[in-house]
Amino acid sequence: NAGVTQTPKFQVLKTGQSMTLQCAQDMNHNSMYWYRQDPGMGLRLIYYSASEGTTDKGEVPNGYNVSRLNKREFSLRLESAAPSQTSVYFCASSQQGGYEKLFFGSGTQLSVL
Amino acid sequence: GQQLNQSPQSMFIQEGEDVSMNCTSSSIFNTWLWYKQDPGEGPVLLIALYKAGELTSNGRLTAQFGITRKDSFLNISASIPSDVGIYFCASQRSNFGNEKLTFGTGTRLTIIP
Repeated sequence: NAGVTQTPKFQVLKTGQSMTLQCAQDMNHNSMYWYRQDPGMGLRLIYYSASEGTTDKGEVPNGYNVSRLNKREFSLRLESAAPSQTSVYFCASSQQGGYEKLFFGSGTQLSVL
Repeated sequence: GQQLNQSPQSMFIQEGEDVSMNCTSSSIFNTWLWYKQDPGEGPVLLIALYKAGELTSNGRLTAQFGITRKDSFLNISASIPSDVGIYFCASQRSNFGNEKLTFGTGTRLTIIP
């Protein structure tokens, strides 16, 4: 039972580099989300996709772009990484915008030097 | 934006002790959720509360939805080593899962051998 799978697990970037975080879920969920977790800040929503073909900004979207590639996959792209984007990133999914039943991946620890 | 304040920020207890933590807000919320994050993993839903005054148990965990709808409490009885992790409260104003979750800043639980 894979659930929500994120890759990579760890990544180190230099300022200005770009990268894409991948996320896939095998639960046939309609909605997918990207969060970042910073010490003392809890989890903050970056972008979400309520259904295939739609994406919307969350609380902290600046510096990020997303793509809902199909129902299973939702990627997060950093076009020009900044040290302020050093964080742990979590992908999550839910059945029908049911925020309370979020299933999270195991996270990507990103460091931007 | 909305903010949920969790206390304490961290706890150091001995195995077998009971644990209490809470989550407060200056705004009214109509759904309260408690998640646990194991080290190196994503959060997992423990308990969901939908009604003011509601008291719900899940094994050794008991959570309550405050009467004022501005707070919630989580208790863990007879703690065991696998209780180690970060506990997050999360809330939304609706009961229908159509609204973004607001997460608290977390309570980190450590068990002293």
